[in-house]
Amino acid sequence: DAMVIQNPRYQVTQFGKPVTLSCSQTLNHNVMYWYQQKSSQAPKLLFHYYDKDFNNEADTPDNFQSRRPNTSFCFLDIRSPGLGDAAMYLCATSRDPYMVSSYEQYFGPGTRLTVT
Amino acid sequence: KQEVTQIPAALSVPEGENLVLNCSFTDSAIYNLQWFRQDPGKGLTSLLLIQSSQREQTSGRLNASLDKSSGRSTLYIAASQPGDSATYLCAVRPYSNTGKLIFGQGTTLQVKP
Repeated sequence: DAMVIQNPRYQVTQFGKPVTLSCSQTLNHNVMYWYQQKSSQAPKLLFHYYDKDFNNEADTPDNFQSRRPNTSFCFLDIRSPGLGDAAMYLCATSRDPYMVSSYEQYFGPGTRLTVT
Repeated sequence: KQEVTQIPAALSVPEGENLVLNCSFTDSAIYNLQWFRQDPGKGLTSLLLIQSSQREQTSGRLNASLDKSSGRSTLYIAASQPGDSATYLCAVRPYSNTGKLIFGQGTTLQVKP
């Protein structure tokens, strides 16, 4: 029944060692989002894909990249994780945001990243 | 710049009490507002979505209202239960083509048996 799936649920990486987080969806939504949520803070959008079009937020560090090889999958790559990148990473999907009446974001369970 | 504020940051109530969580936003140019629940260390579960043209939405013991002109929303929880203990986040979707959500920092609710 899971609609937005994130793997792994917990990830430990070393300072500076590249890491990839995975998100998949069974909803066939054309938009996928990545949010970063640090402890006791609000989720903050990093970037999103509208179909194959990548849209970066202005204040997202260059250290964060994303790939979307097909409709179902989206990856978050952190090239050189720092201690400040430890956070919960949330993937979300939605239908076309131009279709206002049908718009709702569905979130996955998140991946908690620890940087040692 | 849109900002979303939730007050109080934390709330503790005895079981059975009715309660109201508050959310305010600075720019009324929004498509909709969404309330989420987040359990410790978990992802977000959508509770209610209110379109900008709507005044309220109900689901079970939950009722959310929206007053767009004043930049306010409330989430009413009736007959609270210990299982309602969680962090509740509100998020607005501003007018834009991205579908981006702007979140408040949440209200952490504890319902004591």
